[in-house]
Amino acid sequence: AQRVTQPEKLLSVFKGAPVELKCNYSYSGSPELFWYVQYSRQRLQLLLRHISRESIKGFTADLNKGETSFHLKKPFAQEEDSAMYYCALGPYNNNDMRFGAGTRLTVKP
Amino acid sequence: DADVTQTPRNRITKTGKRIMLECSQTKGHDRMYWYRQDPGLGLRLIYYSFDVKDINKGEISDGYSVSRQAQAKFSLSLESAIPNQTALYFCATSDIVGEAFFGQGTRLTVV
Repeated sequence: AQRVTQPEKLLSVFKGAPVELKCNYSYSGSPELFWYVQYSRQRLQLLLRHISRESIKGFTADLNKGETSFHLKKPFAQEEDSAMYYCALGPYNNNDMRFGAGTRLTVKP
Repeated sequence: DADVTQTPRNRITKTGKRIMLECSQTKGHDRMYWYRQDPGLGLRLIYYSFDVKDINKGEISDGYSVSRQAQAKFSLSLESAIPNQTALYFCATSDIVGEAFFGQGTRLTVV
């Protein structure tokens, strides 16, 4: 069964500090992984996906198949990064889309 | 205009009442989903549909039903609402490539 685990419900860092939001997945096939972000009073939106290998708003995420992880990283956190972050396993091969429990990131001034 | 629209945005209903949440999309996607969001539990999948004739149960379908009236419309019903169905409900769509587009959510309170 496909599953996404985000072990940290809350994460707090100071502005300018590095940040890493952890995501581990369980899936027997070839995964399609995403990070979604939900800013205060806004709808969820895509932040990045592993297949595009982009850096969005300074965030990157690398798929590690050996560790079944897709951690989200940013070297210097900004206050505007404060939001709820969800890791998701995507809908290839007629699978549904599953989300982790989410991590609420707070960046303190 | 928003690509994914949910109605109503807020609803308070009494225990035992039937309620329907509606979702419409202009993305032209075949795939649609209903999730509920609870603090500490994240987004949990209730039902999903890959096309008009395809409906599938998600992780927590008990107490819910859905109807895919058209490619653009996917409704979620609570046949007899109970207080632990109080939550924020999200509709989403995606294409086969994967990026999901979400509605703004419906805040449902069952008293």
